[in-house]
Amino acid sequence: SYVLTQPPSVSVAPGQTARITCGGNDIGTKSVHWYQQKPGQAPVLVVYDDSARPSGIPERFSGSNSGNPATLTIGRVEAGDEADYYCQVWDSSSDQGVFGTGTKVTVL
Amino acid sequence: EVHLFESGGDFVQPGGSLRLSCAASGFTFSSYAMSWVRQAPGKGLDWFSGISGSGYSTQYADSVKGRFTISRDNSKNTLYLQMNSLRAEDTAVYYCARSNGNYLRDFFDYWGQGTLVTVSS
Repeated sequence: SYVLTQPPSVSVAPGQTARITCGGNDIGTKSVHWYQQKPGQAPVLVVYDDSARPSGIPERFSGSNSGNPATLTIGRVEAGDEADYYCQVWDSSSDQGVFGTGTKVTVL
Repeated sequence: EVHLFESGGDFVQPGGSLRLSCAASGFTFSSYAMSWVRQAPGKGLDWFSGISGSGYSTQYADSVKGRFTISRDNSKNTLYLQMNSLRAEDTAVYYCARSNGNYLRDFFDYWGQGTLVTVSS
């Protein structure tokens, strides 16, 4: 089955930039989506189709997928960005959704 | 406004059965594929089942194939998950999630708040 690998944790100071990677076989050929999940809450879509942002998501959130790995970048990090972040793709070979292992972002 | 509300979570013994429901509102339910995603305590997100907007196409992860059945009633704007032969490892918060279109391979743009299923003796 298809596997997406993320670093378990990323720490960043307020105002700095956080980068979260998502690695998978030939990930550059897939559309990557990113979700933010705060404790006790449902996930929220923050980036879809590699780099598009849903309405209401700040421009500080951006994504790229020009190869392995795909990356979610959070600019000018704020305390409210502290959360778990998951990448996700659809694996067409198995016709199943796949989530990454998740990254906990800590704002120092 | 889109709303998804899961219900049916409970405490059940291993080998038991449970049916979850996800009531949808605020959109044309039959035009969107839907999925179930679960999250075991302290663990990550796990997609395990999806269904097309018409209900004709379904997909399952190997971990639940043959034990769980996803279905929908478009006249009632409700998604279902019938879970049989439950195991301790099925313990999780279960979320329903809407795909951005009629195809399962679309991203999940709306999520419910989840319902807790605990499988234990």
